[in-house]
Amino acid sequence: DIQMTQSPSSLSASVGDRVTITCRASQGISHYLAWYQQKPGKVPKLLIYDVSTLQSGVPSRFSGSGSGTDFTLTISSLQPEDFATYYCQRYNSAPRTFGQGTRVEIK
Amino acid sequence: EVQLVESGGGLVQPGGSLRLSCVGSGFSFSTYEMNWVRQAPGKGLEYLAYIGHDGRTEYYADSIKGRFTVSRDNAKNSLFLQMDSLRADDTAIYYCARDMWGGATPQEYWGQGTLVTVSS
Repeated sequence: DIQMTQSPSSLSASVGDRVTITCRASQGISHYLAWYQQKPGKVPKLLIYDVSTLQSGVPSRFSGSGSGTDFTLTISSLQPEDFATYYCQRYNSAPRTFGQGTRVEIK
Repeated sequence: EVQLVESGGGLVQPGGSLRLSCVGSGFSFSTYEMNWVRQAPGKGLEYLAYIGHDGRTEYYADSIKGRFTVSRDNAKNSLFLQMDSLRADDTAIYYCARDMWGGATPQEYWGQGTLVTVSS
């Protein structure tokens, strides 16, 4: 199976900071890459799909980029409600592997 | 409104079995691919299983292959996960999740999850 590796595993940032999270696939996955946000005790929420398409209702400070094997989630100006864990997921084929997650904490 | 409601979790001894259910409403259940995902306490998301809209196609993560079986009953808008030979490391919240639409898509809707605890 194709493995997904996120980095960093955690980061500390301040409100207003620009935050970048990276996800690497062990093989090419074309554009089949999604990002999810999960807050403690809550259900995962789909943020971005097809690498860069924002799910309805997701603020424009979130953006995604990349292709093939290397992908990035960027939060342009971190807001208090963005402190959470973020997961990438490939869905080009099943089983649809998640990355191990990146926890974004308050500095 | 799309809703997914899981049930069937609980405490089970190692080696035991459990059957999880997920009932969907607010959408045409029979036209969507469905998935099971779990999250062990304090850990990340682990993708477990996929089933095609008509139940003819199934895929499993290596960690559960041969022990868990996914199935669905479209007449009852229901998704199932039969879990056998349970181990302590199967302890987790189990989520059912619906694809965005047909084909290769991510999971747009998630249930609230059901907790499975494997312990003697």
